Amino acid sequence: DGGITQSPKYLFRKEGQNVTLSCEQNLNHDAMYWYRQDPGQGLRLIYYSQIVNDFQKGDIAEGYSVSREKKESFPLTVTSAQKNPTAFYLCASSIRGWYGLAGSTDTQYFGPGTRLTVL
Amino acid sequence: AQKVTQAQTEISVVEKEDVTLDCVYETRDTTYYLFWYKQPPSGELVFLIRRNSFDEQNEISGRYSWNFQKSTSSFNFTITASQVVDSAVYFCALINGGSQGNLIFGKGTKLSVKP
Repeated sequence: DGGITQSPKYLFRKEGQNVTLSCEQNLNHDAMYWYRQDPGQGLRLIYYSQIVNDFQKGDIAEGYSVSREKKESFPLTVTSAQKNPTAFYLCASSIRGWYGLAGSTDTQYFGPGTRLTVL
Repeated sequence: AQKVTQAQTEISVVEKEDVTLDCVYETRDTTYYLFWYKQPPSGELVFLIRRNSFDEQNEISGRYSWNFQKSTSSFNFTITASQVVDSAVYFCALINGGSQGNLIFGKGTKLSVKP
């Protein structure tokens, strides 16, 4: 089945530790994204990538890092510099990641999410 | 600046009632895209609809319908004859044309449909 997988579903971290969240897609999409969701809030963009070996910071990139060595994979590392990492993390992908001025069919599709809790 | 406002934090209805979820957006661009997503208790966001700013035609898909009005900057979502399975958080999102992918989300509306 085509889709986006995220692992693990639940993740517990001690303060001061780095953790890496996995995101894989087999939709042959060029673009991938990481969002953070806090209770009662909408989603906020952490990082996105339109092509392999290139990525851009979103609105809340501080304390996070990413890599894009393969088209299918976009792992997110939550570093110890992230002050309040407890949240629900959602990965998404889309065909091109570009919304043109003359029409676009690009749509972001989401994975099942990883819930990170800092102990 | 872009902004999406979903003023209804929570809505509770009884099964078979119709319910409308409001979405008001702000943007200075003339080309933009609007989206609705559903987030059931499992957490995954499910894509429902995409609308381009230059297409104001309303859309119906089964029990779901969307009313896009540029004059009031609104993109409202109506569920007809609601069912318990419709219980979820619904998000409206916006992105300007010429952008690379930073969807601006509203804070969501939690819909509870009681049997």
